[in-house]
Amino acid sequence: DQQVKQNSPSLSVQEGRISILNCDYTNSMFDYFLWYKKYPAEGPTFLISISSIKDKNEDGRFTVFLNKSAKHLSLHIVPSQPGDSAVYFCAALLSGGYNKLIFGAGTRLAVHP
Amino acid sequence: SQTIHQWPATLVQPVGSPLSLECTVEGTSNPNLYWYRQAAGRGLQLLFYSVGIGQISSEVPQNLSASRPQDRQFILSSKKLLLSDSGFYLCAWSIGFNGYTFGSGTRLTVV
Repeated sequence: DQQVKQNSPSLSVQEGRISILNCDYTNSMFDYFLWYKKYPAEGPTFLISISSIKDKNEDGRFTVFLNKSAKHLSLHIVPSQPGDSAVYFCAALLSGGYNKLIFGAGTRLAVHP
Repeated sequence: SQTIHQWPATLVQPVGSPLSLECTVEGTSNPNLYWYRQAAGRGLQLLFYSVGIGQISSEVPQNLSASRPQDRQFILSSKKLLLSDSGFYLCAWSIGFNGYTFGSGTRLTVV
């Protein structure tokens, strides 16, 4: 049962343009949504999050949008830079005794000059 | 500041051999600890989590086990490795809700 889905395994974007990474979820009880960035052979690093009571959160070049009625969120990166090339994981949090974080399968972003 | 250490970085083990991966956290007390695995071409799958010493919960049935002998130490083990145990293993910690902080991972190849 995949509760968090990233349906695009890869995305290629030209430097300077906008990158849009999408994520869908099925459980309406999720409290927070997070995006992690992962380089090969490294652990994921936290990028940006959004509470389920918000619809937008912005941090520099990164903006996350949440559409609760559609159970959909997206990460916008603008302008995209070659250093943004990595795998991006969408994750959803079920708060509770151990704060369970459920990850999507990831989207590999390639930003080319 | 809080840091998380995970070792070794890479490991090549024969089928049927034992496994022990260690993870330690510094700079915090009573964290929640997690073991994740990323198989080739797959997402991050939660294997085990622990909310305290000696408290281990398993998310999926498998050939692995976990232990937490000390507050800031989390160990992933296997008595006999299978080929399907190959993957990238990640330890993570959290306190309350501040998301997770991940270690640098261990690339395990079972041959």
